[in-house]
Amino acid sequence: GQQVMQIPQYQHVQEGEDFTTYCNSSTTLSNIQWYKQRPGGHPVFLIQLVKSGEVKKQKRLTFQFGEAKKNSSLHITATQTTDVGTYFCAGPRNQFYFGTGTSLTVIP
Amino acid sequence: NAGVTQTPKFQVLKTGQSMTLQCAQDMNHEYMSWYRQDPGMGLRLIHYSVGAGITDQGEVPNGYNVSRSTTEDFPLRLLSAAPSQTSVYFCASSRQASYNEQFFGPGTRLTVL
Repeated sequence: GQQVMQIPQYQHVQEGEDFTTYCNSSTTLSNIQWYKQRPGGHPVFLIQLVKSGEVKKQKRLTFQFGEAKKNSSLHITATQTTDVGTYFCAGPRNQFYFGTGTSLTVIP
Repeated sequence: NAGVTQTPKFQVLKTGQSMTLQCAQDMNHEYMSWYRQDPGMGLRLIHYSVGAGITDQGEVPNGYNVSRSTTEDFPLRLLSAAPSQTSVYFCASSRQASYNEQFFGPGTRLTVL
């Protein structure tokens, strides 16, 4: 089964509102990666977190890796219509296992 | 560089037919993998390869075969297509299994009637 679980599965927000998706693993991860998939497209790599408690920012996106390296979050500040898509986390070990994804809809 | 290429983009099969989904990468990546994507199920790993001549099963391997005779190519074979294999299939590659971003192909949308 899935190695990592993501919540929520779906999220609708008004443009300008914030958005957060959470990724949880039952086992400790060596690192975690985040991907974005636009509707009709393929997943595209966003970022990788490696260190316990690590926080990285990409413009309006903030990524966190939990202290125990079992969970992670992606927070988007002031969403825009260009943020629409599905966001996946992936916890690679010997192979990549992706979370179930969070589908974000932004209402203009 | 073309990156990761997949053919065909669309395919319709009848139950029981066999076919091969092609995947190639020109980045000299050691790690390649196949995923299927179904609504609400995320990306599920079918098979993967850590280098030429080495393949292994992912979480949903039944009904699929793979081989890796070269670094560049990683075809996925459906032996006897079933309606449950209707899905979008993505091939991906990375330098190594961990600590490297995965590059995805554009996907193949497969319908089995």
